[in-house]
Amino acid sequence: EADIYQTPRYLVIGTGKKITLECSQTMGHDKMYWYQQDPGMELHLIHYSYGVNSTEKGDLSSESTVSRIRTEHFPLTLESARPSHTSQYLCASSKSDRGNTEAFFGQGTRLTVV
Amino acid sequence: KNQVEQSPQSLIILEGKNCTLQCNYTVSPFSNLRWYKQDTGRGPVSLTIMTFSENTKSNGRYTATLDADTKQSSLHITASQLSDSASYICVVSDRGSTLGRLYFGRGTQLTVWP
Repeated sequence: EADIYQTPRYLVIGTGKKITLECSQTMGHDKMYWYQQDPGMELHLIHYSYGVNSTEKGDLSSESTVSRIRTEHFPLTLESARPSHTSQYLCASSKSDRGNTEAFFGQGTRLTVV
Repeated sequence: KNQVEQSPQSLIILEGKNCTLQCNYTVSPFSNLRWYKQDTGRGPVSLTIMTFSENTKSNGRYTATLDADTKQSSLHITASQLSDSASYICVVSDRGSTLGRLYFGRGTQLTVWP
């Protein structure tokens, strides 16, 4: 069982609200990722981090922002949620190893913006 | 362009039967290929990892194959169980960057009927 946790699991909010999706891991992994996944579709990388104070945008453009102040914590923030942000958001982490690195995933946050 | 294609998109089988899922990729330079199982509403969990020099690897009732020359992989499930119902995602990692970028297929949605 992977020690990576996301909260909340489900969130329904109104348009224009500010939200933060939480992600924490207790494995001491340097690398952390945020993916967006629509039903039946592949995961798309939206943000990643190599370590504390390191954040980069991923392949899929996203209006969200992230921060990495502590190794174990990688929150994602939407300043003004819109219906187009409705999706599942998956957080993952991995060791800093260019070899056979396994990404461990959280259970995801299903976000619905109404 | 680095891509991962999976087939079939969905599959329904009866409990106890075998099935094979396919994955074709164009990711280069290739590092490794993992098969993940994603239960509904949860994050993906790694089943197997295949590196360039490996042809076959088993994990219980799951057997993965890799042909690095044709850039194809398969996941064979033996004696299926109801709990095998899930999405099976092929994930290919490159070794051309520090990140070890992960490329995701769209997954094969497997349903096992009693």
